[in-house]
Amino acid sequence: AQSVTQPDIHITVSEGASLELRCNYSYGATPYLFWYVQSPGQGLQLLLKYFSGDTLVQGIKGFEAEFKRSQSSFNLRKPSVHWSDAAEYFCAVGSHNTDKLIFGTGTRLQVFP
Amino acid sequence: SAVISQKPSRDICQRGTSLTIQCQVDSQVTMMFWYRQQPGQSLTLIATANQGSEATYESGFVIDKFPISRPNLTFSTLTVSNMSPEDSSIYLCSVGQDRSTDTQYFGPGTRLTVL
Repeated sequence: AQSVTQPDIHITVSEGASLELRCNYSYGATPYLFWYVQSPGQGLQLLLKYFSGDTLVQGIKGFEAEFKRSQSSFNLRKPSVHWSDAAEYFCAVGSHNTDKLIFGTGTRLQVFP
Repeated sequence: SAVISQKPSRDICQRGTSLTIQCQVDSQVTMMFWYRQQPGQSLTLIATANQGSEATYESGFVIDKFPISRPNLTFSTLTVSNMSPEDSSIYLCSVGQDRSTDTQYFGPGTRLTVL
């Protein structure tokens, strides 16, 4: 069965510092992978997605993620964090056989000035 | 991507009552989904709203508690019936247009508090 693990519940970084949010998945084939961001009181916004091809994908707001099949990971990165990046980040995996997404438990990012 | 709106954005309801949440999309979409996000938790899929037929519910969710309608390709409703405080959550509608990629776009959510 598919599953997604986000090992870090809460991360705190200083503004301007680099960021890496971890995501590990379990899936028998090449998965569809997504990162979403949820600002307080808001819905989810799609940051980026991976289906196939180049394993380094670029997203909105300066985010990128790298698919590493050998590590079953899809970590989200940003070279320099802005205070407005403070939010909850969700990794999700999709299936080739269904239309469903399975979400990780989320990582709350706090940014200090 | 499609623009998705939900009504109401938030509500406070009494135990035992029901609330219907609306999801409107500005273009026709293939798939519509309803999720629940309990306080401090991740998203859990309630059901897939099927146009013109009964919704497909996930394990742990039943039609009597969460009846869903989808009369056309741009609109769906979720009703939370006979509410209890445990139903206090954010309810999110999402849509998908491309079955080959599973990409979903989310509405702003409805924050429900049951007293």
